[in-house]
Amino acid sequence: EPEVTQTPSHQVTQMGQEVILRCVPISNHLYFYWYRQILGQKVEFLVSFYNNEISEKSEIFDDQFSVERPDGSNFTLKIRSTKLEDSAMYFCASRQGVPGTDTQYFGPGTRLTVL
Amino acid sequence: AQSVTQLDSQVPVFEEAPVELRCNYSSSVSVYLFWYVQYPNQGLQLLLKYLSGSTLVKGINGFEAEFNKSQTSFHLRKPSVHISDTAEYFCAVTNYGGSQGNLIFGKGTKLSVKP
Repeated sequence: EPEVTQTPSHQVTQMGQEVILRCVPISNHLYFYWYRQILGQKVEFLVSFYNNEISEKSEIFDDQFSVERPDGSNFTLKIRSTKLEDSAMYFCASRQGVPGTDTQYFGPGTRLTVL
Repeated sequence: AQSVTQLDSQVPVFEEAPVELRCNYSSSVSVYLFWYVQYPNQGLQLLLKYLSGSTLVKGINGFEAEFNKSQTSFHLRKPSVHISDTAEYFCAVTNYGGSQGNLIFGKGTKLSVKP
């Protein structure tokens, strides 16, 4: 069964450093998402991406964040200058693109630790 | 704006007992509702979803949920739980019609099944 994959599973970085989290969505999916879950808190929407551009973003997704689909398979989340409060589990999700009938499939997540 | 409330942060239950995890939502438009499960150190897995049609939906692992529009609820139930059901359960809502489908999650309910 096709699945969303994410790398790395765990990333440790120093405050102020740039990180790139990578995702490979399911191949025939058209909508892509990033969510994050701070330890002990709920899953929060960050950004959605469709047709090679951001379609929606939350207030969390400020200028320090960016997303890209550099090729036909990868979907990346970049944090330019990490802060301590960026420490969280980051989930990528994708869905096929038939509105109202399909489901978002989540990857296993990348745990980001900012020291 | 949409929101999801999961009233119980933790639910302890004995093996083979029934369980109900509560979820209430608020929205000014029609919504689609989901339950996701997160096993320790894993990603989010879809349990079941309500998009339209029958208000009683059945999912994987013997779980079911009932959509109640008048009470704006989507409670999750299982008649007899197993140790392996120990996990965190998240209720989520989206409105595909008015957005790109980003999910709004509740804070989660940790189900702990004891022998």
